[in-house]
Amino acid sequence: GENVEQHPSTLSVQEGDSAVIKCTYSDSASNYFPWYKQELGKGPQLIIDIRSNVGEKKDQRIAVTLNKTAKHFSLHITETQPEDSAVYFCAADTGRRALTFGSGTRLQVQP
Amino acid sequence: GAGVSQSPSNKVTEKGKDVELRCDPISGHTALYWYRQSLGQGLEFLIYFQGNSAPDKSGLPSDRFSAERTGGSVSTLTIQRTQQEDSAVYLCASSLGPDRGGYTFGSGTRLTVV
Repeated sequence: GENVEQHPSTLSVQEGDSAVIKCTYSDSASNYFPWYKQELGKGPQLIIDIRSNVGEKKDQRIAVTLNKTAKHFSLHITETQPEDSAVYFCAADTGRRALTFGSGTRLQVQP
Repeated sequence: GAGVSQSPSNKVTEKGKDVELRCDPISGHTALYWYRQSLGQGLEFLIYFQGNSAPDKSGLPSDRFSAERTGGSVSTLTIQRTQQEDSAVYLCASSLGPDRGGYTFGSGTRLTVV
């Protein structure tokens, strides 16, 4: 089945800096890659996603890039703010079963 | 409803007792998923319902775990003879179906087995 690896497990940045989280997947049939943000005591919330026919997608301060050949995708957050502090999960979907999630990245934005 | 609703939000039970966790998905979402999240860990897939198809139970960790979805809507996850290692947050999500975009998660049920 699909295996998703996520790095780093923790990331601390200064407010205003950029943050990058990277994921790799194993199943070349995966064609949908969402990113979720989870705040303390809440369920994960979808923040951005990308399909395999697109190499990059942006939404204000966040962007996702996908390299199908290398089977990796990344989340980029620019101009980080304290409210960006949370746990971020990547995931991959083949469309045949449920999403497979990475192990999560705890992002801490220092004011 | 406007979102995915899970109940109870917290549950403390004694080892060996059975528990039922409820999930009410977004109206019109045909797919429903259960995941488990242990403290500080990632999301472990448990079970997936899609319409009237047989559920994908491949993630259930033991035969003490079962789930049903009645009328294509509300789902109940049942854990029999609970063990301390069952302590976790149980998350439910729903979506429009496979390959139809992201999931909407509920806030989860925090289960503590003492």
